[in-house]
Formats: sequence, C-alpha cells, structure tokens
Amino acid sequence: EVQLVQSGAEMRKPGESLKISCQVSGFSFTSSWIGWVRQTPDKGLEWMGIIYPADSDTRYSPSFQGQVTFSADRSINTAYLQWTTLRASDTAIYYCVRRGYDFWGQGTLVTVSS
Amino acid sequence: EIVMTQSPGTLTVSPGERATLSCRASQRVSSSLVWYQQKPGQAPRLLIYGASTRATGVPARFSGSGSGTEFTLTISSLQPEDFAVYYCQQYNNWPQTFGHGTKVEIK
Repeated sequence: EVQLVQSGAEMRKPGESLKISCQVSGFSFTSSWIGWVRQTPDKGLEWMGIIYPADSDTRYSPSFQGQVTFSADRSINTAYLQWTTLRASDTAIYYCVRRGYDFWGQGTLVTVSS
Repeated sequence: EIVMTQSPGTLTVSPGERATLSCRASQRVSSSLVWYQQKPGQAPRLLIYGASTRATGVPARFSGSGSGTEFTLTISSLQPEDFAVYYCQQYNNWPQTFGHGTKVEIK
C-alpha cells in the first residue's frame, strides 16, 4: 500500500527553525521525485518544488527559492522540508506528494506566531 | 509563471444535477493538467490527469476535457459526497501552478 506519512503539527515563534518530514512506503522512494505543496486560506495551493531522492537534486519554485530547503534520507525513505528562519507568513498546511500526483501526505500544519 | 483561472468561484447545484467547472491557462499547457477534489481537513484527491484520464478508483461520473488553454471538469450527476472544492493544476511549465478552486455546494 502506497503511503506518505507526514510529521505532526508544529508551533514555532518567528525567527526559529523547523524541519518537517514525509516518510514514504509502498513504492520506490528513489524512482522519481517527491513534491512539496503549501496551502493557505489566502493563496490557496502553491507548488513549492521537488526533490529527486535518488541524488537529492532539487528544483524550487521561484517564490520559495532561498526560503526553504528540501532534503532526503534514502536509508529511511524520508523527505524533509526545512526552514532556518520562520516568519508568520509561513503559517500554512504543507503537503508532500509523489510523482503522478495520486498519493499525498496527510498534511502538516505549521503555525508561526509570537 | 502560468496563471490558472477557475470559474465559477462557487457553483450551487442540486444533487443529481450536472456540474461543469472551467479552468483556463494563461499560456498553452498542452494536456498537462490535473483536477483534484478536496474536502475539509483532507489532502487533495487526484481525479483526472492528462486533462481527460480518470485516476484509479474515480467514478465514471467525473470526466475531463480540453487541451491548450481551456479545460473542463464535468460531474454528470452530483452525489452527496461530491460537494467539495475542485482545483486544476498545470504541470507543463515550471513552476507548476494551481487554480484557486471552485467550491461546489448544495442547492
């Protein structure tokens, strides 16, 4: 069974760092890419970018370039989304999705507030 | 960046009726378009890929059409479980982009 299981909800203060995860099972983690999508009430769904776990090559959407970092650990079939300096505007639900768009993680709510 | 425009923003329909949702791309995206359904508290669910191919397990009442810049999702006879928000997304150009959604609500 294909699954993408994301880490739980997080609450941070502005300026703090954060790393959330997406562990996959039921398919080859290194066979293609894993994407990240942000959802907010104001802007809706936004494509953040993708990572190729086979070689950790990344491609970021221009709006997110330099703002976040994707990484992957092939030994545990897990992709990561990381911030070094969070802002209130990063408050959103974040989803991971596999190539083919057919399986999504359940979403991770990130709340950034002082 | 390609802008995806969905219309209408809200569609009010009675169960059993037909619903037609539109998605327009600001540039040609060939047939590289997917449709999703999203219900509150859930991740998007893939309905259609390649503009017109139903994803596994999607009922036949859902159909997609179009290519280039104009796309349509049709739900032939709305069931109670179909009331949700529907999004289109193009994957022909980088960055991939989503529409802002059409909410299908019960009349």
